[in-house]
Amino acid sequence: GAVVSQHPSWVICKSGTSVKIECRSLDFQATTMFWYRQFPKQSLMLMATSNEGSKATYEQGVEKDKFLINHASLTLSTLTVTSAHPEDSSFYICSAQKGGGTYNEQFFGPGTRLTVL
Amino acid sequence: GQSLEQPSEVTAVEGAIVQINCTYQTSGFYGLSWYQQHDGGAPTFLSYNALDGLEETGRFSSFLSRSDSYGYLLLQELQMKDSASYFCAVRDNYGQNFVFGPGTRLSVLP
Repeated sequence: GAVVSQHPSWVICKSGTSVKIECRSLDFQATTMFWYRQFPKQSLMLMATSNEGSKATYEQGVEKDKFLINHASLTLSTLTVTSAHPEDSSFYICSAQKGGGTYNEQFFGPGTRLTVL
Repeated sequence: GQSLEQPSEVTAVEGAIVQINCTYQTSGFYGLSWYQQHDGGAPTFLSYNALDGLEETGRFSSFLSRSDSYGYLLLQELQMKDSASYFCAVRDNYGQNFVFGPGTRLSVLP
């Protein structure tokens, strides 16, 4: 199988604090991980693409200094929301791509629901 | 840029067949995928088409026509548990980006 975990599954924090979300591929090595944000009843919006050992590639409009991504190993990527504000409240989902090649399958984590008060 | 279009909602009854269409406009194309997402859950992979034609996996089939920039997901013998949102997604040929469609909310009625 290909299992991706996220931690925490939900978090509530005060405005101005930072929150770190972990994404792990449990039974495979992921050269590439993706971070998405999803607002209620909306689609997934790609925030950034994370490659192990290199800087993340951010989508247009996503502040790289606010959403810090680190992909330190082939099984772990982290997203840190710095100085969180209520408008950052959302469902954050990571996915991991198994190896390379042309096959398009991503394996998604269960998501992290962030609520900023 | 890239854009994908899907119907926002589809309703059908148990046992019926439903087709969810997806049209796309992309600068590059590296395959069309379909994902299912239940409320509060993460997306799960359903199918992938890189070449024209029909791919069948159990009750679900997916079709692609690259010349028409069009694909669809066909769900047969609908069950209540199929009520969910369904997203098509395209991978940018020039990068690793995945772009998701707006999603189609399927409601299966008894």
